[in-house]
This record gives sequence, C-alpha cells and structure tokens, in this order.
Amino acid sequence: AQKVTQAQTEISVVEKEDVTLDCVYETRDTTYYLFWYKQPPSGELVFLIRRNSFDEQNEISGRYSWNFQKSTSSFNFTITASQVVDSAVYFCALSDRDSGGGADGLTFGKGTHLIIQP
Amino acid sequence: DGGITQSPKYLFRKEGQNVTLSCEQNLNHDAMYWYRQDPGQGLRLIYYSQIVNDFQKGDIAEGYSVSREKKESFPLTVTSAQKNPTAFYLCASSGGQVGREQYFGPGTRLTVT
Repeated sequence: AQKVTQAQTEISVVEKEDVTLDCVYETRDTTYYLFWYKQPPSGELVFLIRRNSFDEQNEISGRYSWNFQKSTSSFNFTITASQVVDSAVYFCALSDRDSGGGADGLTFGKGTHLIIQP
Repeated sequence: DGGITQSPKYLFRKEGQNVTLSCEQNLNHDAMYWYRQDPGQGLRLIYYSQIVNDFQKGDIAEGYSVSREKKESFPLTVTSAQKNPTAFYLCASSGGQVGREQYFGPGTRLTVT
C-alpha cells in the first residue's frame, strides 16, 4: 500500500531564512504522481505542484523549489528567503494506480507546520 | 468565479443526530471527494465519486453516506453510527483522470456533543 511520511511535525525559522520540508513516499507502482499542498489558517488546501514519476527534473517557481529523487523516494520542498505569509501547514500527497485506477483519492502525509517568525 | 463551495463553515450537532454537509462545484469536474482531517493529522479519504450516480468507499467510510445525483453536487451525511464525528471535513474535485490535481473547498468544521 502507498504511504507518505513527513517526519518534520513543526519547523520554526526566522524570516528570510531558507527552509526545506521533507517528504518520503512508498509505492509499488511505477507510475505515480506527487503533490504539495499548502493549508493556511483558514483551512482551505491550496494546490502548489504536481509531479509524475517519469519527470525527475527539479522545478522552481519564484521562491519555491522542489527536488524529486526517485532513488531515495523523496520529494522535498524548499522555500527560499521565507516570509511570514509562508506560515502554514504543508502537505505532501501521493496518487498511484495501486488504488485501483481511475481518479482515486490522494494519500496524504501528516503535514509539516511551518512557522515563520518576523 | 469557478470553485468549490461548502456550507456551512461551522456546524454543531447533538450526538445521535444525522447531519448532511453540502459540497457544490462549478468547475465541470467529473470526480469529487470527501476527506476528513483531525488535529495534527493528514487528510483521510471517506468517499469519492468518479461520475454521476456512482461512488466508492475510501479508507474510512464507516458511519458516512454520500450521493451523486448531479455532477455539481456531492453531499456527505454523517450518521449517528460514526463514533467520532467531530472533525474538519474537506470536499475536493478533479478532472477525473489518474494523477490530476484536486481542488479543495473551504471545509466544514463539525462539532458533535
């Protein structure tokens, strides 16, 4: 069965520091998709990125970057020059065809609570 | 604007009562989902539906029921059989193919006393 582990329960840094959120996944499928979501205090999950298992190219979007490494089953998320507005809970999630195919649900990690102090 | 609406944002019920949570989307998405989130936990899948008039149980379906009579709507009923119903409930939708990102509503916080 698939599994997503976010070992960091909470991270606190001072504004402008760089911070990396770790995500390790388990799946038996060779085709799978990985996601990162942000959950601000309001509660609504905001989609950040999707990656498929065939594309290991790292991605950068502004201050956000993602490092996907199949060799270590990791999909880590880095925020450069963090800002107070980045404070939120961040979830890593996995979707694969082990669930039976079709548009099945995502398997989420437990999330990392990121606190950016001014 | 396209999006997902959930109502109400906060809901209070007495133990033993059934309660229905609303979820509507105007994104023309085929697939819809219900997740439950408990404090300090990730989201767990309750039910999902890939097309109208069809739905499947997720990991924690016991004590819940759903219907999908319209493409836009996917209401969730929390029955009295659900042992620990107090939680934050999130509805999502996606284009329907494997691996498509899901978009989430604002959530409903249910408190049962």
